[in-house]
Amino acid sequence: ETGVTQSPTHLIKTRGQQVTLRCSSQSGHNTVSWYQQALGQGPQFIFQYYREEENGRGNFPPRFSGLQFPNYSSELNVNALELDDSALYLCASSLEQGRTEAFFGQGTRLTVV
Amino acid sequence: GQQVMQIPQYQHVQEGEDFTTYCNSSTTLSNIQWYKQRPGGHPVFLIQLVKSGEVKKQKRLTFQFGEAKKNSSLHITATQTTDVGTYFCAGHLRSNDYKLSFGAGTTVTVRA
Repeated sequence: ETGVTQSPTHLIKTRGQQVTLRCSSQSGHNTVSWYQQALGQGPQFIFQYYREEENGRGNFPPRFSGLQFPNYSSELNVNALELDDSALYLCASSLEQGRTEAFFGQGTRLTVV
Repeated sequence: GQQVMQIPQYQHVQEGEDFTTYCNSSTTLSNIQWYKQRPGGHPVFLIQLVKSGEVKKQKRLTFQFGEAKKNSSLHITATQTTDVGTYFCAGHLRSNDYKLSFGAGTTVTVRA
């Protein structure tokens, strides 16, 4: 086990709604990255938080936002959900702003209907 | 578009045989990482390569980083049923880039 936990594990939302996903990073890790993984694809980088600040972002619209808390846990918020947002959302914790190995949580399976 | 490409997309292997999966980038990578994701699971870190031409081994797995730091390979010898899963390569495209770019993965199935 990596020590990275995500909640919830599964979620069904309606188009247009908002969702918040949560991630507890591994003890001692100050960097959290979020990824979206569509079925049959590799994880796509959404953004990264280091010491409570966003320090990198992928090609995702502003309706994808996040937070990192003083204990380094993190949230991913998605507003105005679209059908294409259905995917596995993974968080990964690491050291050194993601330049070392990443420890992934088990993911949250989001289905938008 | 996808900047890190992996081939093949699928690899069907007879148990006991060897195979290689390849990773190619359109730009120079500052490092390359490999992950394995079992069906229904999450990616698990295998290794990181940083130096040009670097080769690392983990039991039956051999990882290589190309001289130009634009490609990498994973070679598995004597494939076992425990090797089933999807293997992803991922890299940082620039030394100051925090974004880790993943390939689409090679999904491996094993015939007993």
